[in-house]
Amino acid sequence: AQSVTQLDSQVPVFEEAPVELRCNYSSSVSVYLFWYVQYPNQGLQLLLKYLSGSTLVKGINGFEAEFNKSQTSFHLRKPSVHISDTAEYFCAVSGGSNYKLTFGKGTLLTVNP
Amino acid sequence: DADVTQTPRNRITKTGKRIMLECSQTKGHDRMYWYRQDPGLGLRLIYYSFDVKDINKGEISDGYSVSRQAQAKFSLSLESAIPNQTALYFCATSDPHGTGTNTGELFFGEGSRLTVL
Repeated sequence: AQSVTQLDSQVPVFEEAPVELRCNYSSSVSVYLFWYVQYPNQGLQLLLKYLSGSTLVKGINGFEAEFNKSQTSFHLRKPSVHISDTAEYFCAVSGGSNYKLTFGKGTLLTVNP
Repeated sequence: DADVTQTPRNRITKTGKRIMLECSQTKGHDRMYWYRQDPGLGLRLIYYSFDVKDINKGEISDGYSVSRQAQAKFSLSLESAIPNQTALYFCATSDPHGTGTNTGELFFGEGSRLTVL
């Protein structure tokens, strides 16, 4: 079985500040890792994904994440956030025989002026 | 047009009524899923289908049923809706063949907001 823990349910920051959204996972097999973003009143869209190779993954809108196998983490970062980054962010993991995604409970990022 | 389309987008109904949420996709993906989103609980899998003849229960299937009418269509039914089924429902697809690697990456519809009074 696999699971995902998003360590912060809410993260308030000021515009142009850096931000880190934390995600830890557990799995008994090799995994693929994802971050999805949900803007207000919209569906989920893929922000970035780690499949293999370089542990630093770059995504859309200036976000990046680093896969750390020893710490079983996949934290999302952005050096300078904008008001438009206000959204809910979901970390997800897949692995095993049928590669179903398991989601964390989400982190609400609120960017204040 | 969206690749994954859900109807209706919003629905208010009463306890005990039968409700169907429909999902259609133009992505040509074999795998389709229904998730439920509740505040603070993230997304939980209700049912999934790997092809037209393959339907599987997810972690919270009680009170729900599904029908895979075609590769492109996957419907979720609430036979007798109850208030704690008030939630945002998402349909999603995945393609285990397209990239040569089955990663589980999902492509989502825009959601169906259901309110049960």
